Amino acid sequence: QSALTQPASVSGSPGQSITISCTGTSSDVGSYNLVSWYQQHPGKAPTLMIYEDNKRPSGVSNRFSGSKSASTASLTISGLQAEDEADYYCCSYTGTGTVIFGGGTKLTVL
Amino acid sequence: EVQLVESGGGLVQPGRSLRLSCAASGFTFDDYAMHWVRQAPGKGLEWVSGISWNSGSIGYADSVKGRFTISRDNAKNSLYLQMNGLGAEDTALYYCARGNSISAAGTIDYWGQGTLVTVSS
Repeated sequence: QSALTQPASVSGSPGQSITISCTGTSSDVGSYNLVSWYQQHPGKAPTLMIYEDNKRPSGVSNRFSGSKSASTASLTISGLQAEDEADYYCCSYTGTGTVIFGGGTKLTVL
Repeated sequence: EVQLVESGGGLVQPGRSLRLSCAASGFTFDDYAMHWVRQAPGKGLEWVSGISWNSGSIGYADSVKGRFTISRDNAKNSLYLQMNGLGAEDTALYYCARGNSISAAGTIDYWGQGTLVTVSS
C-alpha cells in the first residue's frame, strides 16, 4: 500500500492557475472513478473539494476542478486566491477494500 | 448539520491499548460507511480503517492490520477503534470520517476534529 505520488509543493501568484498531480497505479487511480481531493488549512480538519474524479460538492467554488488520465489524477485551481494556500491531498479507493492517500502538496500563493 | 465528535485519545505507554469513540449526529448513521484516518504530527493523512453501513465489509491499512479493530453500533450512532499493541509510530491525530454511501469504497465526505493519541513511555 504505497501512497499516491504528489509533488511536495507548488506555488502560484494570485489570479493564476495551478495544477497538482496525483499518480497511482492501474490497481487504484486507474481502475476506479473514485479519486477525491481534500484541502487542509493548518490546524483544521480536511475539507472535501472534488470527488469521483471530477465532481464538485455543493458549496465548493467552481475555481476548483478535477480530471484524470489513466493512473494520474489532477486538481486544478484557477484564479488563485490567498485563501487557497493550504495542503492538498488526493485519495483513491484501491479495490481491495482499502483507501489510500497521496503524500500531500503544500500550495503557496505568492 | 453533520457532526462527528471523537473521544478517547490520550497518552499511552508502548504496547498498551486504547479505544477511540466517535459520536455521530445530523444524519442517518446506518445509511453511511465510516472511516478512521490519522495524521502524525507534521505529516500527511493516512487511512487507517473503514467499515460499511452494516459492518459487513471492513478494511484495514497494512500498518494496523492485526492490531486495530474497527466497529460500529448503529443503535448508538457510534463508531469505535480498538487499538492494541500501540507503538510510537501510532502517535497521531485520529479523525473519524463519514463515507458518502453505504459502501466503504466511496468518498470520505465529512470529518471530525480529531482526537490525539500519543504513545510514549
